Amino acid sequence: QQKVQQSPESLIVPEGGMASLNCTSSDRNVDYFWWYRQHSGKSPKMLMSIFSNGEKEEGRFTVHLNKASLHTSLHIRDSQPSDSALYLCAAREGSALGRLHFGAGTQLIVIP
Amino acid sequence: NAGVIQTPRHKVTGKGQEATLWCEPISGHSAVFWYRQTIVQGLEFLTYFRNQAPIDDSGMPKERFSAQMPNQSHSTLKIQSTQPQDSAVYLCASSQTKFQNTLYFGAGTRLSVL
Repeated sequence: QQKVQQSPESLIVPEGGMASLNCTSSDRNVDYFWWYRQHSGKSPKMLMSIFSNGEKEEGRFTVHLNKASLHTSLHIRDSQPSDSALYLCAAREGSALGRLHFGAGTQLIVIP
Repeated sequence: NAGVIQTPRHKVTGKGQEATLWCEPISGHSAVFWYRQTIVQGLEFLTYFRNQAPIDDSGMPKERFSAQMPNQSHSTLKIQSTQPQDSAVYLCASSQTKFQNTLYFGAGTRLSVL
């Protein structure tokens, strides 16, 4: 069983719309979350990270975290075609090993 | 800063042959990670090093896969007797600190086993 579950698997939004992506960890030891974005044929690049309860905003991107439920969400407002990509959620084990587990990703398609 | 450098970008091997993949982490980064990515399995953790020491290799198929980090400027992933199911994009990543270990990925090596 994957330790990090993402939903939906794919998402289509119109240009200018809001995209909402979800991620939950089943590992109670997780203490830090990242969102990575991977354009087709490219390697993943870190988008945002969060480890405190609440919300963090950077431009059009907002991340929420609920540590009690180990749930994080990424919201993209005013979506652009260039936002079309695979969005990967990563969670870190809060142990000495510090391994990162990745979810399967959400494929976002923004239609012009 | 050239980022994480992986070579080769593409490698084609015949079934049963050996493949060696190279990674040069970002200078000053203390941790190096290896992942592989396929459509079916997604991004799978293989192994990682911290300050050149192997920390966790729990994701490595033990019999044919091995990884080394002989110095702080490069790491290798070796696959012996390659099988078609080893076909994947192998991604190397490095990070700067233990606490906030944001990973910086290389462009990857696409391995195709015929």
